[in-house]
Amino acid sequence: ETGVTQTPRHLVMGMTNKKSLKCEQHLGHNAMYWYKQSAKKPLELMFVYNFKEQTENNSVPSRFSPECPNSSHLFLHLHTLQPEDSALYLCASSQGTSGLYQETQYFGPGTRLLVL
Amino acid sequence: AQSVAQPEDQVNVAEGNPLTVKCTYSVSGNPYLFWYVQYPNRGLQFLLKYITGDNLVKGSYGFEAEFNKSQTSFHLKKPSALVSDSALYFCAVRGMDSSASKIIFGSGTRLSIRP
Repeated sequence: ETGVTQTPRHLVMGMTNKKSLKCEQHLGHNAMYWYKQSAKKPLELMFVYNFKEQTENNSVPSRFSPECPNSSHLFLHLHTLQPEDSALYLCASSQGTSGLYQETQYFGPGTRLLVL
Repeated sequence: AQSVAQPEDQVNVAEGNPLTVKCTYSVSGNPYLFWYVQYPNRGLQFLLKYITGDNLVKGSYGFEAEFNKSQTSFHLKKPSALVSDSALYFCAVRGMDSSASKIIFGSGTRLSIRP
């Protein structure tokens, strides 16, 4: 148990559906991250939030929309996804990215998403 | 641009034998290096990191890694492998010249320990 929870753990959705992934951290951290893990590809950083402000968007398509209402919660809103978006979506948190390059990230268990 | 490479997709080791999982990196400036492990149906778990100081870093579950600046490597090692070490291992790097959030992960190495 890393102190980072994600719901749901599994999600199947059609290309016209709208769904949301939720991440919550109980570690008192200030930075939160969304990653995409596809088979046989390196882990891809998608978004970074630091103190509720988005500091990183790695050219992610607009069909993925993040939301960070506070430092403990992070959402990923999904709409009109494509089958190639099927992957494991991992959330992580760290103390805060205000110049602390050596921070350890704590990962949640992930949401396995299948887009039909 | 910074990058990290894990040249082996899979490493197979007999239980009780030493293991090595390789990682090389490329960054401008000094690197911050990490190893994470992922067990089936789980998120990544932190194993160890190199920030500065002693080149040999000791981490969780008996793992250690050696930072070699001349070879730009950060190989993960364990003197005696356990079957429970079987998992997917990721090396990651951050460079001081880039944004703190730009951590780059390798493609992963699957470690299989046979009894």
